[in-house]
Amino acid sequence: NAGVTQTPKFRVLKTGQSMTLLCAQDMNHEYMYWYRQDPGMGLRLIHYSVGEGTTAKGEVPDGYNVSRLKKQNFLLGLESAAPSQTSVYFCASSVTGGNTEAFFGQGTRLTVV
Amino acid sequence: GENVEQHPSTLSVQEGDSAVIKCTYSDSASNYFPWYKQELGKGPQLIIDIRSNVGEKKDQRIAVTLNKTAKHFSLHITETQPEDSAVYFCAASKTGNTPLVFGKGTRLSVIA
Repeated sequence: NAGVTQTPKFRVLKTGQSMTLLCAQDMNHEYMYWYRQDPGMGLRLIHYSVGEGTTAKGEVPDGYNVSRLKKQNFLLGLESAAPSQTSVYFCASSVTGGNTEAFFGQGTRLTVV
Repeated sequence: GENVEQHPSTLSVQEGDSAVIKCTYSDSASNYFPWYKQELGKGPQLIIDIRSNVGEKKDQRIAVTLNKTAKHFSLHITETQPEDSAVYFCAASKTGNTPLVFGKGTRLSVIA
């Protein structure tokens, strides 16, 4: 049972480049989330989805886009990467809303130079 | 929206001592308060949670207490061990579509 899998685990981008982070879960969860983790800032919600075909903005959505075309996948896109987007990105999923356990992936460390 | 404050940001204890991490929240409608542990290089993992209809919950060496009137909740770890060294996050949420809101985390170091 893989749980939540993030691809890739590490990436270095040049300023202005684009990329997509992939999150896949095999638990049939309705909700999926993208967080970024920066030193001293905790986990900040970027975007989330309450079901296939839905997306919603979180606390820090600017510069990111997401898509949830399939229930098991949640994609996070950076159209034009900036150094301020250097961070560790975590995907998570939960059965229903925020008052149920969230299962996290291993994280993607992204560096924008 | 919800705001969760967590203290302290770092905590060092001697092995065998107790550790306490405290959080406050702002939204009186919040009714779910989980605690996550993040080990180095890994994603956060739920270790214990409490809902607003109880004041305390215990699981072996860890316990969580909730004071709804004061809007604060705490994590207590007794008989700390080196493997308890990690970053701990508190969070809060309420029924419905609202995602979890996390505190900024506490880095716990247990010194052998």
